[in-house]
Amino acid sequence: EADIYQTPRYLVIGTGKKITLECSQTMGHDKMYWYQQDPGMELHLIHYSYGVNSTEKGDLSSESTVSRIRTEHFPLTLESARPSHTSQYLCASSELRRNEAFFGQGTRLTVV
Amino acid sequence: QQPVQSPQAVILREGEDAVINCSSSKALYSVHWYRQKHGEAPVFLMILLKGGEQKGHDKISASFNEKKQQSSLYLTASQLSYSGTYFCGTELYNNNDMRFGAGTRLTVKP
Repeated sequence: EADIYQTPRYLVIGTGKKITLECSQTMGHDKMYWYQQDPGMELHLIHYSYGVNSTEKGDLSSESTVSRIRTEHFPLTLESARPSHTSQYLCASSELRRNEAFFGQGTRLTVV
Repeated sequence: QQPVQSPQAVILREGEDAVINCSSSKALYSVHWYRQKHGEAPVFLMILLKGGEQKGHDKISASFNEKKQQSSLYLTASQLSYSGTYFCGTELYNNNDMRFGAGTRLTVKP
């Protein structure tokens, strides 16, 4: 069973608010990812990290930031939530390259 | 940089076979296959690491043609439990990320 956790599972928030989505894993994985997925649709890479103090932008990174201060923790921050941010956010981790990725259960975000 | 998957959707009867394809315009380091059921997180099925190598998972297998930068997922004698959306994820040689195709929605009917 994968040991990767996301909180909160569900969040409803008003436009303009700053929010942080939490992701933690206890497997000691170096690589971590954030993906955005609308229901039944493709996964879009937002940010990824391959170790402490290393973060890289994906395709949808312009309105969010991440940090990787500890191996196990990879939070995603939206500085100013907008209705267009309404989606599911999935966090994943893996051991470096060419290894399976484990996904968290996701955070379903609704911005009103 | 996202891989291209086909078909977009497949409907099968139990016991029938299906093939899902994944291709990239860039040289692939590895290809991953995941299955996601409605309301759940994607679950790893298998990873392909070298050209022509096949992997298997129950009655699901896959191949990776390194020369063509293509992978195919083969579902044999499909079961109701195979229903879900299948995603291929690809890693390239020159970066550290993993990107996914648009997914193939598979529905297996009794």
